[in-house]
Amino acid sequence: QVQLVESGGGLGKPGGSLRLSCAASGFTFSDYYMSWIRQAPGKGLEWVSYISGGGSTIHYADSVKGRFTISRDNAKNSLYLQMNSLRADDTAVYYCGRTWDYWGQGTLVTVSS
Amino acid sequence: DIVMSQTPLSLSVTPGQPASISCKSSQSLPQSAGKTYLYWYLQKAGQPPQLLIYEVSNRFSGVPDRFSGSGSGTDFTLKISRVEAEDVGVYYCMQSVQPPITFGQGTRLEIK
Repeated sequence: QVQLVESGGGLGKPGGSLRLSCAASGFTFSDYYMSWIRQAPGKGLEWVSYISGGGSTIHYADSVKGRFTISRDNAKNSLYLQMNSLRADDTAVYYCGRTWDYWGQGTLVTVSS
Repeated sequence: DIVMSQTPLSLSVTPGQPASISCKSSQSLPQSAGKTYLYWYLQKAGQPPQLLIYEVSNRFSGVPDRFSGSGSGTDFTLKISRVEAEDVGVYYCMQSVQPPITFGQGTRLEIK
């Protein structure tokens, strides 16, 4: 069965960096676009970024463009989100997803000094 | 950007009664290869979103047949024929026709 497990969340400082990882299993990882979405506390869902199976197609939400970088390692069945220049409004649960059917349990990122 | 607007934002339903959620897009969602990329998710408390309906009207694996989706152009609807207690949560529509991918605000369903 499809499993997606996020890691790397935690407390980050404004202007700092965090790197999220997502370990995928139960499907042929390289065949699928993968995505990150996020959910601020008490708020709705917000798309962050997606990447094609081979990594050649990438898109970002305007709110993270230039600060976040999505990447993948198909040999390791892993998806990543490098988060730089963190801001308080990046505080959210970040979900990794197999576009657009399965989502992991999420990892909480808190940006605070 | 395509803005997705859901109504109502909350509804309270008696078990066994039907429920309907509307999702309107700010511009027409075109078909591509016969598909319109409009999805419905349910997020239960403390859980990630779970896919209910994909491409407007296709039930995802394991989704009960009391859930159905319909619509075209700018108007889409999720219907629950007979609400059950386990259907409580927040329902979101989402379009993936073009980036940025956008979600509706969410509709909270509670049981009377």
